[in-house]
This record gives sequence, C-alpha cells and structure tokens, in this order.
Amino acid sequence: DAGITQSPRHKVTETGTPVTLRCHQTENHRYMYWYRQDPGHGLRLIHYSYGVKDTDKGEVSDGYSVSRSKTEDFLLTLESATSSQTSVYFCALRPTGGNTGELFFGEGSRLTVL
Amino acid sequence: KQEVTQIPAALSVPEGENLVLNCSFTDSAIYNLQWFRQDPGKGLTSLLLIQSSQREQTSGRLNASLDKSSGRSTLYIAASQPGDSATYLCAAPMDSSYKLIFGSGTRLLVRP
Repeated sequence: DAGITQSPRHKVTETGTPVTLRCHQTENHRYMYWYRQDPGHGLRLIHYSYGVKDTDKGEVSDGYSVSRSKTEDFLLTLESATSSQTSVYFCALRPTGGNTGELFFGEGSRLTVL
Repeated sequence: KQEVTQIPAALSVPEGENLVLNCSFTDSAIYNLQWFRQDPGKGLTSLLLIQSSQREQTSGRLNASLDKSSGRSTLYIAASQPGDSATYLCAAPMDSSYKLIFGSGTRLLVRP
C-alpha cells in the first residue's frame, strides 16, 4: 500500500459539466501520474507531475488539465466532460527514495459521462 | 519510441499447471520492466520489478526474467491456483521520468 487515495471512486456526470478527480498521497513523494484505462486501448498516460507546480503532458492530454499546488494532492480536471472521457482513471506515484523506478497505483475512479 | 506487447491476450489453464506469460518491448535501452496484476474492477498491484542490470526477480511462486537483447520478459507462475486468476500487465518506462508504457495484458483463468 503506497498510501494513495483517489476520490471520488465513482461518478456519473453529464456532457459539458466540469469534473475534478483527486489523487491524495500521505508520504510526500515527488512523482505522480494520471492514467486512463479503456477496453482496446489499455492504460495510457494523461499527465505527469515531478513536483509542486511542475507538470508535463502525456499521450492523451487533450481535454484534461492538472494541478499540483501541494505535494500530497494531484488533481485531474475535465473542463467540459465528453462521452469519450468515460473511463477508469488511475493515479500512480513513484517513491522518491530508493531510485528503483517502481510505480504504485491507486484503486481507480470510474467516470461515466452521459 | 517504446512499444510493449503481450501475448496471448487470454489464457485458460487447469489448476496446478506451471505457466509463462510473455511481454515484448521494442527499445532494448530499457530502464526497468514492471509486472502488475489487476483483478476485475480493482487497481494495479505491483508484482515484480526487474532493473535493467538484472536478469530475473523472484517473489514466491512468481519469477520474472528480462532479456534486453531479444526484447522480451517472461512471468513464470509455478503451481497455478484459482486465486491467480486476474489480468497480468507488463510495463516499461518511455524515458528516465519513468512514464510507463503498458502492454494490453494477458487475462488468466485458472480452472479448479
């Protein structure tokens, strides 16, 4: 258990509404990631953070923004949700110490956009 | 650009059988390779991590190998049990930021 909490775990929303998913960690690790998982596409990186206010785009970043105003929280925002953003979203972190490059994942947030 | 492939997509075996799951990658300049397990509706659980300098890693009944020259990793599961039924994913970093590229997974069913 890497101390990752995702919220909400399940959300149903309507097209055009804003949605924010939260990833919270308790151990002050520097590196955090947002992935989405879809049938036929597997897991794909949305955004990556390497520190407070330091973020980078991933493979499928269009339509998403992120913020990291403090170490423990990495927020993923869908400014105007679309049906194509229906997915399961996973947050991951990479422990700063040890330098193994191992990633640990949260339990996921299932988002349905109607 | 790193690409990761897993074959087969699905596998069904009787309980007690030893089995091998395959993972291929295109860029041999790999930092590490990580194997995960995912149960339906759940998150990813890290099983084994093999560093670039290592040939294999073992945890209980699981053994993962890494052959950079051939671009392959295998996950060996000994004496399979119904509780091993899950989807197994392998992933390799695209660069030193350790942004992982995932394979599409192998869905394993171990029949009692």
